[in-house]
Amino acid sequence: NFMLTQPHSVSESPGKTVTISCTRSSGSIASNYVQWYQQRPGSSPTTVIYKDDQRPSGVPDRFSGSFDTSSNSASLTISGLKTEDEADYYCQSYDSSNQVTFGGGTKLTVL
Amino acid sequence: QVQLVESGGGVVQPGRSLRLSCVASGFTFSGYGMHWVRQAPGKGLEWVAVIWYDGSNKYYADSVKGRFTISRDTSKNTLFLQMNSLRAEDTAVYYCAMTHPALVYAFDFWGQGTMVTVSS
Repeated sequence: NFMLTQPHSVSESPGKTVTISCTRSSGSIASNYVQWYQQRPGSSPTTVIYKDDQRPSGVPDRFSGSFDTSSNSASLTISGLKTEDEADYYCQSYDSSNQVTFGGGTKLTVL
Repeated sequence: QVQLVESGGGVVQPGRSLRLSCVASGFTFSGYGMHWVRQAPGKGLEWVAVIWYDGSNKYYADSVKGRFTISRDTSKNTLFLQMNSLRAEDTAVYYCAMTHPALVYAFDFWGQGTMVTVSS
């Protein structure tokens, strides 16, 4: 099984851009799609990115996803930060043995 | 609209069993795979199990394999998680989640969760 490593926390000011990384420990990041979920305090997670860079309907285009094979990492970028973006963000992927893995989560503070 | 409502959580002693349910509405339940995902208090998300839309395939996290069983009753639009030999480390909020239409290993919509506490 592989692990996904995220920074514990990031912070940025309203209106700025922040990028959250998600590094895969083994196997290529390009081998399996990466998803990103937002979880606000006291709420269930919601999907902000699926299949690496696809946005569900209703998710603003301020949210974007990508991956970089050289660093074996995926990234979630949020531009034009709003206070409502303050939440925990989790990356998620899977492998050929049908195991699903989540990253440890990143707490985004917008201050 | 899509609704997933979990129930069955509670306080249980180590070694005992519990069965969680998740009633689905607002979509064609028989057309979607379903997952269970848990979150220990103050911790991150941990995948537990998945069942294919037709029940033909089931996969489990190593941490629950052999103790937990995922199943579904299409006639009742209900997903289940039978949890046996419970341990303190199984204490968590348990969410059911439907698979994304484009990818079975992505989650499209989550329920509100049900809390399971394993304690003597």
